[in-house]
Amino acid sequence: GAGVSQSPRYKVAKRGQDVALRCDPISGHVSLFWYQQALGQGPEFLTYFQNEAQLDKSGLPSDRFFAERPEGSVSTLKIQRTQQEDSAVYLCASSLVRSSYEQYFGPGTRLTVT
Amino acid sequence: EDQVTQSPEALRLQEGESSSLNCSYTVSGLRGLFWYRQDPGKGPEFLFTLYSAGEEKEKERLKATLTKKESFLHITAPKPEDSATYLCAVQATGRRALTFGSGTRLQVQP
Repeated sequence: GAGVSQSPRYKVAKRGQDVALRCDPISGHVSLFWYQQALGQGPEFLTYFQNEAQLDKSGLPSDRFFAERPEGSVSTLKIQRTQQEDSAVYLCASSLVRSSYEQYFGPGTRLTVT
Repeated sequence: EDQVTQSPEALRLQEGESSSLNCSYTVSGLRGLFWYRQDPGKGPEFLFTLYSAGEEKEKERLKATLTKKESFLHITAPKPEDSATYLCAVQATGRRALTFGSGTRLQVQP
């Protein structure tokens, strides 16, 4: 079956621009997660949705980062006024609620801020 | 604060040379420990979940084990296609977020 998809796969933004990254989770997966992965590091948690409710946003690094999932399916991560330190791969993952809690990841969006 | 430390950072093996990767963790209460494989330019691929000390899981040439303080990923007779970064992550009780280590970059030479 189809896995998690993300778009765009690559994004180059000039410092100060706003960007929007999209995630399509696996069909039927209630939970959706966003992670940020710097080069050579493991992913770091940003935020978590169950259906349309954002239940944990403790990992968002600043108020420039905003995520939404209005209909409980597709999610968008928005970064306002991008800075060079925002350059990273942004990973989306989804999971079932009543399962062994494993999260299935998409291919990521590589954001480069110049 | 939950912490995960993986060692070694990088490992180079000859094809057929078995070895183990280590994942040490501290967590307030462990709901699960996860192993993922990540190839360059791709997202992490789920391998195993372990829930309690003493548990073991196997998949092809890989076996994961868990104690109260660490997990090992044993690779038996590796092949070049096993080359990847292996990530370990913990999930604390009451949370859904995963805390990852920095990974072990494994290279298997033919």
